Amino acid sequence: GAVVSQHPSWVICKSGTSVKIECRSLDFQATTMFWYRQFPKQSLMLMATSNEGSKATYEQGVEKDKFLINHASLTLSTLTVTSAHPEDSSFYICSHSSSWGHSYEQYFGPGTRLTVT
Amino acid sequence: DAKTTQPPSMDCAEGRAANLPCNHSTISGNEYVYWYRQIHSQGPQYIIHGLKNNETNEMASLIITEDRKSSTLILPHATLRDTAVYYCIVVIAGGGADGLTFGKGTHLIIQP
Repeated sequence: GAVVSQHPSWVICKSGTSVKIECRSLDFQATTMFWYRQFPKQSLMLMATSNEGSKATYEQGVEKDKFLINHASLTLSTLTVTSAHPEDSSFYICSHSSSWGHSYEQYFGPGTRLTVT
Repeated sequence: DAKTTQPPSMDCAEGRAANLPCNHSTISGNEYVYWYRQIHSQGPQYIIHGLKNNETNEMASLIITEDRKSSTLILPHATLRDTAVYYCIVVIAGGGADGLTFGKGTHLIIQP
């Protein structure tokens, strides 16, 4: 299956600073990537859909000015958490989908654990 | 997309078959059943999917009832590395290109 990498795997930052997380599709050209976050003991929640060359689509309740997404190439999408606060501490995961006829598989990155102090 | 119901947790002995149920009684004719799993502190991993026929791959088997209102994921010989949260997700045909909606899943614990 397709390989997705994320960098960094974990990051600690101070409140008020910004953090950039990279998501790379290593063997697949992804016009669309997805960003999820997962709080402790909870399930994954879709944050936004990242579209190559155009603006991202955000889920309801996700602040687009706080979570900046850039998808400048077919293999790289970045999520920048601006002015991070402790409540933004979470596990951030990206993915892309690959089609098989009418059905799809999604391939996920290993995740980035963000801790804001 | 149809809602799914899964037991919150299950135990299984190592080497035995793990059978994970999923109820999706409101599934539509053009909706697929997907299974993903998430090992602790990792990204989810695709396991298998099906529409109405039973499916098998190198990881698992998927049994879908004739009325398609429920399904069972079978791990034939569970190992300790199969301990994970397993998610059953119903997705409309073509909708897999969209982001997924994860429920709470089943936490499968494989006992030595």
